[in-house]
Amino acid sequence: DQQVKQNSPSLSVQEGRISILNCDYTNSMFDYFLWYKKYPAEGPTFLISISSIKDKNEDGRFTVFLNKSAKHLSLHIVPSQPGDSAVYFCAASAGETSGSRLTFGEGTQLTVNP
Amino acid sequence: EAEVAQSPRYKITEKSQAVAFWCDPISGHATLYWYRQILGQGPELLVQFQDESVVDDSQLPKDRFSAERLKGVDSTLKIQPAELGDSAMYLCASSHVPGRSEKLFFGSGTQLSVL
Repeated sequence: DQQVKQNSPSLSVQEGRISILNCDYTNSMFDYFLWYKKYPAEGPTFLISISSIKDKNEDGRFTVFLNKSAKHLSLHIVPSQPGDSAVYFCAASAGETSGSRLTFGEGTQLTVNP
Repeated sequence: EAEVAQSPRYKITEKSQAVAFWCDPISGHATLYWYRQILGQGPELLVQFQDESVVDDSQLPKDRFSAERLKGVDSTLKIQPAELGDSAMYLCASSHVPGRSEKLFFGSGTQLSVL
């Protein structure tokens, strides 16, 4: 039972354009969502998060949108840079302090072409 | 910059053999996690420690996996006997704020191949 799904295994965009990574979830108990970025041979690093009381959170070039009714969130990167090329994981938990119960999606490989 | 240290980086073993992975969390981080990431999937929690105590090992296959953190600092994850399906990346993470997801710091992982 895949409670967090990232349906696109890969995404390729041109430098300077927008990258949009999508994530869907099925568990209604999830109320805190995060995105992690992973470079090859490194562990995942935290990128941005959003609580279910919000529908948008922005941090520099990164914005996460949450649509609770659709159980869908997306990560927008504008403008995309070649250094953004990495695997992006969506994750969810039931509660902002339930870090041990993170459920991850399968990941999306983003490639930003110069 | 402080990092979570893991060793070895790569491990190749034959099925039915025993393997062990080591993790040294960031100094002062009381919470330590072991995750398993199978190729094409996201990381999955195996066990969580708070200091030397196991907080959550509900997803740990206890018939073959064991984890310890005897002095509440570094930790060892063991598999005995290894099976083909155990081939995966084993990630260790630590946090100084229990439960706060965005405060997780991951190591680079141990890539296990079981032949």
